[in-house]
Amino acid sequence: DAGITQSPRHKVTETGTPVTLRCHQTENHRYMYWYRQDPGHGLRLIHYSYGVKDTDKGEVSDGYSVSRSKTEDFLLTLESATSSQTSVYFCAISEFGQELYGYTFGSGTRLTVV
Amino acid sequence: QKEVEQDPGPLSVPEGAIVSLNCTYSNSAFQYFMWYRQYSRKGPELLMYTYSSGNKEDGRFTAQVDKSSKYISLFIRDSQPSDSATYLCAMSAGQGAQKLVFGQGTRLTINP
Repeated sequence: DAGITQSPRHKVTETGTPVTLRCHQTENHRYMYWYRQDPGHGLRLIHYSYGVKDTDKGEVSDGYSVSRSKTEDFLLTLESATSSQTSVYFCAISEFGQELYGYTFGSGTRLTVV
Repeated sequence: QKEVEQDPGPLSVPEGAIVSLNCTYSNSAFQYFMWYRQYSRKGPELLMYTYSSGNKEDGRFTAQVDKSSKYISLFIRDSQPSDSATYLCAMSAGQGAQKLVFGQGTRLTINP
């Protein structure tokens, strides 16, 4: 997806280990978001950022933390991965004044916790 | 009860049919309404957007918003096999950090 990349694309990890997912954007957008997508639940907001070092919780934030030290990077950390965190994680970006254009999404990270 | 409800389907129709996809919502503060299309193993991509009530047309696609009924629709005319995807409705209340709320998504298959 133009302007936004997620890494890694796939990851398998063991229960109890920390995991960090990276989102990188080249659009200089102010807002960045992390969602998870699960069957039967759709996309649910984990955390979002409204500027460098400014973050807030979403609907399903327990067990997750985020950091944004630069405009272009937004990191999602699973502090101690559990099987319930097996999911597809999407990063998204948006900009103030462009609300009608919604989000631009990354291609997703498929995480499996075994 | 979820803030946004969307029938997950799956929905299967023949090529050329008119498709109607719908969402209902409970938060009367929502004023930005969007439809995203998601192909398998890809990220969602914005298909249509509408501000407040009314209709919007873009080629074969028409989006409708009825705020009085808290109901939004997406119509696809002359459906094509390439339209086969999952369609997600999404909405938000305000500007800035929008915190879109998504429906579950409807999986649509157009059969040649």
